[in-house]
Amino acid sequence: KQEVTQIPAALSVPEGENLVLNCSFTDSAIYNLQWFRQDPGKGLTSLLLIQSSQREQTSGRLNASLDKSSGRSTLYIAASQPGDSATYLCAVRLTGTASKLTFGTGTRLQVTL
Amino acid sequence: DGGITQSPKYLFRKEGQNVTLSCEQNLNHDAMYWYRQDPGQGLRLIYYSQIVNDFQKGDIAEGYSVSREKKESFPLTVTSAQKNPTAFYLCASSTGQGVYEQYFGPGTRLTVT
Repeated sequence: KQEVTQIPAALSVPEGENLVLNCSFTDSAIYNLQWFRQDPGKGLTSLLLIQSSQREQTSGRLNASLDKSSGRSTLYIAASQPGDSATYLCAVRLTGTASKLTFGTGTRLQVTL
Repeated sequence: DGGITQSPKYLFRKEGQNVTLSCEQNLNHDAMYWYRQDPGQGLRLIYYSQIVNDFQKGDIAEGYSVSREKKESFPLTVTSAQKNPTAFYLCASSTGQGVYEQYFGPGTRLTVT
């Protein structure tokens, strides 16, 4: 059974810092991996989707990398802003499981002034 | 605007009553999903449907039921058999092929007393 872990569970950084969020998974037979953002009491917003054949994907200040062999993905946020404060979730889609996602428990990020 | 709508945003019910949560999408997506989110836990899949008139159980289907009579709609019924129904419920949709990127609705918070 695929297990997805995100460490740390919470992180506080001052504005302007670059930061890395970690996601690890136990089954390397993944189809793709998706990073989401969730604001308190809201739904999830898709940030980046990285296919198993890709090493990284970029969108603005965000960069996601994928290393299937080590079972890890990272989300890099450059020049953090208070508006980046949210919970970040990673989710893994296994090969052969159609469209099902397995989620990590998330990292709660606070960017302070 | 294309997107996913869930209604209502907040729902209160007495123990022993069935309740139906609405999910509608106008993204022309074939696949739809229901997740449950509890504090400190990742999202858990309740049911999913890859095509009209067909659906499959997810990881925690006991005490829930769904229907998929129209492509745009995937309502979830929380029955009195669900032991701990108080939670945040999220609906999502994706294409039925390709990258399966999932998009989420705003969620319904259900409180049962």
